[in-house]
Amino acid sequence: GAGVSQTPSNKVTEKGKYVELRCDPISGHTALYWYRQSLGQGPEFLIYFQGTGAADDSGLPNDRFFAVRPEGSVSTLKIQRTERGDSAVYLCASSPSDVTDTQYFGPGTRLTVL
Amino acid sequence: AQRVTQPEKLLSVFKGAPVELKCNYSYSGSPELFWYVQYSRQRLQLLLRHISRESIKGFTADLNKGETSFHLKKPFAQEEDSAMYYCALRHSNQGGKLIFGQGTELSVKP
Repeated sequence: GAGVSQTPSNKVTEKGKYVELRCDPISGHTALYWYRQSLGQGPEFLIYFQGTGAADDSGLPNDRFFAVRPEGSVSTLKIQRTERGDSAVYLCASSPSDVTDTQYFGPGTRLTVL
Repeated sequence: AQRVTQPEKLLSVFKGAPVELKCNYSYSGSPELFWYVQYSRQRLQLLLRHISRESIKGFTADLNKGETSFHLKKPFAQEEDSAMYYCALRHSNQGGKLIFGQGTELSVKP
């Protein structure tokens, strides 16, 4: 079946602009995770959804970052007033239901803030 | 604080040589440890997890709670093993979030 998909694959924006990154999880997966991977680093947790609600948003770096999952499937990560330091690969992962399930990762969105 | 350390950014070996990718963690409790792999132009994928105690593609990893380590080993490296390897930790009481190390690039030369 289809894996986790993310769009766009690449996004270039200017400092101060607003961006939205989309994640389509594997069908039927209720858990969804966002991670951020800066150059030369491992992925860093941002937020976790169980269904429609954010169960853990402790990794969001500040209030410019926000994520939604209104129908418990597709999720959108929103970044306001982008800064050059936001440049990174944003990864989405989904898992069937339980927190002990394996996480399946998408290909990522490479965000570049000029 | 929970932390995963992979001391080597790059590990280069010849085909057929043994490989050990190091991973140390700091955590007070019972963590679950994983190794993820990312081959060139592919997405991050699970290689193995300590609770499964299985061998995948000839790789094994043993959790050593005394040394807080979860090193990844393979007796005979193959060229197709060349990839980025990430060690990760999951806290059983903090949902499913994974804490990753910085990664080690494994290069297997012919």
